[in-house]
Amino acid sequence: QKEVEQNSGPLSVPEGAIASLNCTYSDRVSQSFFWYRQYSGKSPELIMSIYSNGDKEDGRFTAQLNKASQYVSLLIRDSQPSDSATYLCAVKSPSSYKLIFGSGTRLLVRP
Amino acid sequence: DVKVTQSSRYLVKRTGEKVFLECVQDMDHENMFWYRQDPGLGLRLIYFSYDVKMKEKGDIPEGYSVSREKKERFSLILESASTNQTSMYLCASSNPLSYEQYFGPGTRLTVT
Repeated sequence: QKEVEQNSGPLSVPEGAIASLNCTYSDRVSQSFFWYRQYSGKSPELIMSIYSNGDKEDGRFTAQLNKASQYVSLLIRDSQPSDSATYLCAVKSPSSYKLIFGSGTRLLVRP
Repeated sequence: DVKVTQSSRYLVKRTGEKVFLECVQDMDHENMFWYRQDPGLGLRLIYFSYDVKMKEKGDIPEGYSVSREKKERFSLILESASTNQTSMYLCASSNPLSYEQYFGPGTRLTVT
């Protein structure tokens, strides 16, 4: 079992819809979680970090964390074609400063 | 804003050459990281450093070494480049309190 799992996609949504991206992790003691956006040919860009159970909102983005079920999700409201990218979920290793990255979900927003 | 810069965006080297990739951050971060990213394999950690002159191996350290003589600078060294080291190399730095990692623009290295 991979430490951080994401569906590779592509997840295709129409413009204006809500895109829901999901991530599960295997280490129950993990405490810090991150979402990155990566456009093709570019480096990952941090979108959100979340450390507590529940929801955290930042503009059109909402991160949701459920430690009991070991999943973290990212909702993108009013999706735009410019949101089309690969979204990487990352979990901090409990024993070091490393982040463990999922393989990413490719999101395609159709105009 | 955190700024992480890398010495080159594109680099072409020959097999057997010694290659230096440099990374500089301006946020006084203690932690710095080197990754490579290949299609279908995702981000893979090569080495990281949590302090000057300190380093730890990541998941794929073979064929690489690193140097951190100053807090703001972290160098990745390919002692003898091989074609299987053709990849996108990404440097990141992080604040040890938030653990948020910030990436540089990347260096696309081609070894021929």
